[in-house]
Amino acid sequence: NAGVTQTPKFRILKIGQSMTLQCTQDMNHNYMYWYRQDPGMGLKLIYYSVGAGITDKGEVPNGYNVSRSTTEDFPLRLELAAPSQTSVYFCASRSRGQSGEQYFGPGTRLTVT
Amino acid sequence: KQEVTQIPAALSVPEGENLVLNCSFTDSAIYNLQWFRQDPGKGLTSLLLIQSSQREQTSGRLNASLDKSSGRSTLYIAASQPGDSATYLCAVNNSGYALNFGKGTSLLVTP
Repeated sequence: NAGVTQTPKFRILKIGQSMTLQCTQDMNHNYMYWYRQDPGMGLKLIYYSVGAGITDKGEVPNGYNVSRSTTEDFPLRLELAAPSQTSVYFCASRSRGQSGEQYFGPGTRLTVT
Repeated sequence: KQEVTQIPAALSVPEGENLVLNCSFTDSAIYNLQWFRQDPGKGLTSLLLIQSSQREQTSGRLNASLDKSSGRSTLYIAASQPGDSATYLCAVNNSGYALNFGKGTSLLVTP
């Protein structure tokens, strides 16, 4: 199993541009998450999904959108990129149930200039 | 709102020492607590997962304990090695779905 994969690894955007961060997991997990990590800070939840067709906002959803059309994929869309969105983005997944272990992807490092 | 605090923020020890990393949380109604390791520029690697009904979990030289009533967890690393140098993150699941993270402890083990 590849686990959780993310593309791209790095990206530089200009202010106002848009892009999609891709996330795929091959563990048949129902739950998927997007977090962002800023320097010296803990990870903050952007959006999560409990299954295909179901998404919900986390702590810091403004400026982002998500969709979940399949169990495997959970893309994160940035519209009108802003410098405040410069961060490292992590996708994660876990199996059904309230007590499962979360598995993380390698991250996407995004710079908005 | 759950607040997760990790102390110390940074730690430097000589190789071979045993060490303890601390994590505290404000809301004791948790499902589980997970310890992660993060190397510079890399993703998070899960080290140990402790369910709310458990008191400790062990994996090799790592031992994590959980005291829900006092809102504390510790990660004990025995016989530290330079390869243990990384940032260690504590994360609490008290919603049934997402994790609340501390800011991490940056560990440096010197030869």
